[in-house]
Amino acid sequence: QVQLQESGPGLVKPSQTLSLTCSVSGASITGGNYYWTWIRQPAGKGLEWIGRIFASGYTNYNPSLKSRVTLSMDPSKNQFSLKLSSVTAADTAVYYCARYFILTTSYNIYYFDSWGQGTLVTVSS
Amino acid sequence: DIQLTQSPSSLSASVGDRVTITCQANQDISTYLNWYQQKPGKAPNLLIYDASNLGTGVPSRFSGSGSGTDFAFTISSLQPGDIATYYCQQYDNLPLTFGGGTKVEI
Repeated sequence: QVQLQESGPGLVKPSQTLSLTCSVSGASITGGNYYWTWIRQPAGKGLEWIGRIFASGYTNYNPSLKSRVTLSMDPSKNQFSLKLSSVTAADTAVYYCARYFILTTSYNIYYFDSWGQGTLVTVSS
Repeated sequence: DIQLTQSPSSLSASVGDRVTITCQANQDISTYLNWYQQKPGKAPNLLIYDASNLGTGVPSRFSGSGSGTDFAFTISSLQPGDIATYYCQQYDNLPLTFGGGTKVEI
C-alpha cells in the first residue's frame, strides 16, 4: 500500500519561498501509471490543484500559480518536492501531496488514489 | 478553467435518508468526473471515479451518475460515519478543478 508523507516548515515569512517534500513508500515515483501532485486547502475552504509531475520529470502547473511554482523529483530518495515563491498570507493552507493514478481502459481514467495526511503552512511575519 | 458547481453547499439529513448531491460543469466533460469524501482534519478519499464507478472498498450505498455537464452523487441510506464534506473533481482538462464541496450533517 502506497503511503505519502509531507514535510517542511510550518511557518514561512511573506515574500519568502515555501518548500515542502513528499516522501513516498510502497511505490516508486519513477514507476508507471501515475503522476505525483500537490493540492492545497485553505482553512474552511475547498481544494485547489497546484501541479503534477510525471516520472519523466514532465510537469504541469495551475496557471493561477504557474509563475511561482516549481515541482521536482529525487528518485534516489523516492521523494518529490514543491517550491512556491513570493508567498503571501493567501498561500496559508494545508498542503497535500497525492498520487494521481492513471487507469488505462479504452480511454484513460485519472483519479487521486492516495494522499498524504497534509501539512499546515502558515505565511506570517 | 472548467468550473464545477455543487449543490447544495450543505445539507442536514437523518440516518437512513437518501441523500443526493449534484455537480454541474460549465462545459461538457463526458464522464471525466470523480467524487471524494473528506472528513474533518483528514485528507480526501476517493469514492467514485469516472462518474459512476465505485472505488476500491467503497460501500455500495454510495453511487454516482451523469455525463456531459450534469452529475449526481447519492448516498442511498445515510450512516453516521458519512458525516463529511463531499467534493466532485474533473479531469477533462487542465487545470484539474474541484467543486466547492457539500457538507453533510445529521
